[in-house]
Amino acid sequence: GIQVEQSPPDLILQEGANSTLRCNFSDSVNNLQWFHQNPWGQLINLFYIPSGTKQNGRLSATTVATERYSLLYISSSQTTDSGVYFCAVSQAGTALIFGKGTTLSVSS
Amino acid sequence: DADVTQTPRNRITKTGKRIMLECSQTKGHDRMYWYRQDPGLGLRLIYYSFDVKDINKGEISDGYSVSRQAQAKFSLSLESAIPNQTALYFCATSDSSWGLHTGELFFGEGSRLTVL
Repeated sequence: GIQVEQSPPDLILQEGANSTLRCNFSDSVNNLQWFHQNPWGQLINLFYIPSGTKQNGRLSATTVATERYSLLYISSSQTTDSGVYFCAVSQAGTALIFGKGTTLSVSS
Repeated sequence: DADVTQTPRNRITKTGKRIMLECSQTKGHDRMYWYRQDPGLGLRLIYYSFDVKDINKGEISDGYSVSRQAQAKFSLSLESAIPNQTALYFCATSDSSWGLHTGELFFGEGSRLTVL
């Protein structure tokens, strides 16, 4: 099956710093999503982005489908950005498969 | 009220017991999923259902069964629970209007299961 690798596994930042999270996947996909899991365990959909670039406030994401990777950018990080960020992908007619996540800790 | 509701939110049980986790949704979505989360392993797919008559195994279906009682309800059963099934379980839904695309996924708040 398709493999999803996220890097780095852990990231520690000072408030105000910028960061880039990466997601590599092993085969072509027609669905790619980024999720944030907050420290209370709640999973929130950040972006649906099988290709191209999207922005939502301080967060933006870019997927280069032909090269099988996606990047999530967090600018001017805040303590509320802490948590785990997951990338998930799927092919036609299948369910989303998740990477192992990047754990982000932002300190004030 | 949450659009995707899981019950129970927390459960402690003993090895060998049967346990059922229930999921109901008010989003009107056809597609429903069960995932489990273990520290450091991300979310792994257990079962998914694209409509009421459709059930599919995921990456880690052994030891689990599911029932899609209605469009809005999807339950996960552990017939004989074992300690390595201790995990955080998530139900999710997505809209079938995406066609073959899975569509955007919406999660419940999770059910934490501990098997002693």
